[in-house]
Amino acid sequence: NAGVTQTPKFQVLKTGQSMTLQCAQDMNHEYMSWYRQDPGMGLRLIHYSVGAGITDQGEVPNGYNVSRSTTEDFPLRLLSAAPSQTSVYFCASRHQERNTEAFFGQGTRLTVV
Amino acid sequence: GNSVTQMEGPVTLSEEAFLTINCTYTATGYPSLFWYVQYPGEGLQLLLKATKADDKGSNKGFEATYRKETTSFHLEKGSVQVSDSAVYFCALSNTGRRALTFGSGTRLQVQP
Repeated sequence: NAGVTQTPKFQVLKTGQSMTLQCAQDMNHEYMSWYRQDPGMGLRLIHYSVGAGITDQGEVPNGYNVSRSTTEDFPLRLLSAAPSQTSVYFCASRHQERNTEAFFGQGTRLTVV
Repeated sequence: GNSVTQMEGPVTLSEEAFLTINCTYTATGYPSLFWYVQYPGEGLQLLLKATKADDKGSNKGFEATYRKETTSFHLEKGSVQVSDSAVYFCALSNTGRRALTFGSGTRLQVQP
């Protein structure tokens, strides 16, 4: 059971480039979410999804797009990378049952130069 | 809305010292509360949880009690080890919310 798998683990982008961070889970969880982790700011929610075809914005959605075509996959797209998007990104999934814990991927460390 | 406040770090302790990391929350209704741990270079792992008032979550010698009257969920361990050095996050999940709300994290450094 792989859990939540994120790729890549590290990435360096130039300002203005685009890329997609991949996230896949094999636990049949309905809820998936993307967070960014910055020093002293904990984890901030970027986007989340409650099921295939349904996504919504979190607290810091600007500059990011998501889609959810299957239950398993929830990719995060940066359309035009900016230095302010340098961060560590975590994908998480959880069961739709009330108030269950989230399971996290290993993270993607992104640097935008 | 929901929010979680944790004590500022880093917390530096000697091995075998007693640990307390404070966590308070703001939420409507009856949230579930969690402590996650993040070791260097890794993702977050669930350490313990409590789903209703007065519940005590425990794991690996860590404990936290869900106190609704003080809206707190403080993390404690009687005797820390060097291997406990990590960042600890308090989080909550509330009915109708699809994602967890996290505190800012507290870095623990345990010296031999």
